[in-house]
Amino acid sequence: QSALTQPASVSGSPGQSITISCTGTSSDVGGYNYVSWYQQHPGKAPKLMIYEVSNRPSGVSNRFSGSKSGNTASLTISGLQAEDEADYYCSSYTSSSTTFGGGTKLTVL
Amino acid sequence: QVQLQESGPGLVKPSQTLSLTCTVSGGSISSGSYYWSWIRQPAGKGLEWIGRIYTSGSTNYNPSLKSRVTISVDTSKNQFSLKLSSVTAADTAVYYCASHPPLLRAFDIWGQGTMVTVSS
Repeated sequence: QSALTQPASVSGSPGQSITISCTGTSSDVGGYNYVSWYQQHPGKAPKLMIYEVSNRPSGVSNRFSGSKSGNTASLTISGLQAEDEADYYCSSYTSSSTTFGGGTKLTVL
Repeated sequence: QVQLQESGPGLVKPSQTLSLTCTVSGGSISSGSYYWSWIRQPAGKGLEWIGRIYTSGSTNYNPSLKSRVTISVDTSKNQFSLKLSSVTAADTAVYYCASHPPLLRAFDIWGQGTMVTVSS
C-alpha cells in the first residue's frame, strides 16, 4: 500500500486556476471511482472537499472540481482566493483500505 | 449532526501501548451503518490511514501497521478505540478519528485530533 503521488507544492495568484494531480495505480485510483480530496489548514482537521472523483459535499464552493483519467486524479480550484491557501490531500478508497497522497501545499501569491 | 472527540494520554513511553478513544456525540454509534476510522499525521507530514471498524464490528487495517493495531467499539459508551502496541518515536503524531457512511467512501466527519508523543 504505497502513498499516492502528489506534487509537493503548487501556487497561483488570486483569481487564477490551479490543478493538483494525484497519481496511483490500477489497484487504487485507476480501479475505483472512490477518489476524494481534503483541504487542511494549519492546526486544523482535514475537510472533505470532493468525493467519488467529482462530487462536492453540501457547502463546498463550486470553485472546487475533480476529475480522473486512468490512474491519475485531479483537483482544480478556479478563481483562487486567499482562503484557499492550505494543504490538499487526495485519497483512494477500496473495500479493504484507504490510501492518502503525500499532500500538496497550495500557496496563493 | 454527529461529532467526534479524541481523548487519551499525550505521552507514551517507547515499547508501550498507545491507547486512544473517540467519543461519538449527536448520534448513536450502533444505529445506522457507519465506518469508524483512525488516521494519523506526524508533524509536518502527510496523512496515514491506520484502520477502520464497521458498525457490525468487522475491521480493516493498514498492512504496514496491522500487526500492532487493534480497533474496537464500545456501544455502551458510544465510543470506539485504538490500541497501537510496541510504539517507537516514529509513532509520534496527531491522531484523528473520522467516520463515513459506507456508501460515501470518504471521511465526512473528523475529530479535532490529539497529539501523542512517544518518548521516555
